[in-house]
Amino acid sequence: QVQLVESGGGVVQPGGSLRLSCAASGFTLRSFAMHWVRQAPGKGLEWVAVISSDGSEKFYGDSVQGRFTISRDTSDNTLFLQMNNLRAEDTAVYYCAKAIGRQQPESRYFDHWGQGTLVIVSS
Amino acid sequence: DIQMTQSPSSVSASVGDRVTITCRASRDIRSWLAWYQQKPGKVPNLLIYATSSLQSGVPSRFSGSGSGTDFTLTISSLQPEDFATYYCQQANSFPLTFGGGTKVEIK
Repeated sequence: QVQLVESGGGVVQPGGSLRLSCAASGFTLRSFAMHWVRQAPGKGLEWVAVISSDGSEKFYGDSVQGRFTISRDTSDNTLFLQMNNLRAEDTAVYYCAKAIGRQQPESRYFDHWGQGTLVIVSS
Repeated sequence: DIQMTQSPSSVSASVGDRVTITCRASRDIRSWLAWYQQKPGKVPNLLIYATSSLQSGVPSRFSGSGSGTDFTLTISSLQPEDFATYYCQQANSFPLTFGGGTKVEIK
């Protein structure tokens, strides 16, 4: 069955960097768009980034544009989120999420989520 | 960016009640809307996508309707396991955006 396991979270100082990973199993990243969604403590959901099924398209939320980079390793079936120049407001649980399908709009709905990894940005 | 506004922000209801949550988009999103349920300490769960398509395994007491800018999630007969926070999400354009959430609480 589909499984998503995030890792790489932790405590980092403002201005620092972290790389999150999401190991996928039960399906291939080549077949579905993949997303990162975050949730600050006690707050709602915020979409972060997407990579298309063929890897050719990447889009980002306004608050992370230019600082975060989404990528993947299809040989390892792993999704990544490189986070640079981190700010206190980036503190959140980060979820990777699988899209329903490959094409719009199914590529923009999330049917499986990982358990999340907590990122804390603090001095 | 498309802003998604949910109302109410919280609702108190009893088991068996009919509950309706609304979501308004700041501009036309056609039928490209999803609803998620999130219980405390758990990950979000997709209930409905494309406004009214029920995700596999989701009970039929959940239904969605609307188009354009105004959308509704209805729980026809609230069950104990339905007490949770519900989020709408537009899939019309990037950046994808969520509503602020509606907490369904026990009355």
